[in-house]
Amino acid sequence: GQQVQQSPASLVLQEGENAELQCNFSTSLNSMQWFYQRPGGSLVSLFYNPSGTKHSGRLTSTTVIKERRSSLHISSSQTTDSGTYLCALEFSGSWQLIFGSGTQLTVMP
Amino acid sequence: EAGVTQSPRYAVLQEGQAVSFWCDPISGHDTLYWYQQPRDQGPQLLVYFRDEAVIDNSQLPSDRFSAVRPKGTNSTLKIQSAKQGDTATYLCASSTAEVFFGKGTRLTVV
Repeated sequence: GQQVQQSPASLVLQEGENAELQCNFSTSLNSMQWFYQRPGGSLVSLFYNPSGTKHSGRLTSTTVIKERRSSLHISSSQTTDSGTYLCALEFSGSWQLIFGSGTQLTVMP
Repeated sequence: EAGVTQSPRYAVLQEGQAVSFWCDPISGHDTLYWYQQPRDQGPQLLVYFRDEAVIDNSQLPSDRFSAVRPKGTNSTLKIQSAKQGDTATYLCASSTAEVFFGKGTRLTVV
């Protein structure tokens, strides 16, 4: 079946450190998105990135279709980056957006 | 441009009561999703539409949940006879390609 695996499940950083979050998928896809969510908050789209590399401030998303993976890199982390990061994929042949289990990031001052 | 609008933002029910959630997607978005997100879990798809047609409702508890999108724009998700296990945030999203989410309706069933 269609599977999405995110890692790590949780991550604790000191402010200023970098983070690399991974999302691996089992079959070909139409689209890939990364979302951010604070506890009790709404889902904020960070990147729509079906392939290649995109940058937004301190964030970089890289999707490599052939290797069936996508990564989210956070550089120079800040305490305000704390929250849950979710990848979500639309697999080929479907409009359904399927979420990974998320990475809970905590950035300590 | 307005984002995805949901109402109400919060609802508290007794078990057995009914509730409806309303979603106004981004104008021009043909695909609309309803997700359920229990506390400390990721979103789980309930149903999604392409225009007014239901594409997949296999995860919708059909005995108590229903969803409609009669004109291919706004959508309503209804829960008949709510249970405590329905306590969650209900998220609506819309897309043409990139998916955008509303702020959700936080439902508590006591």
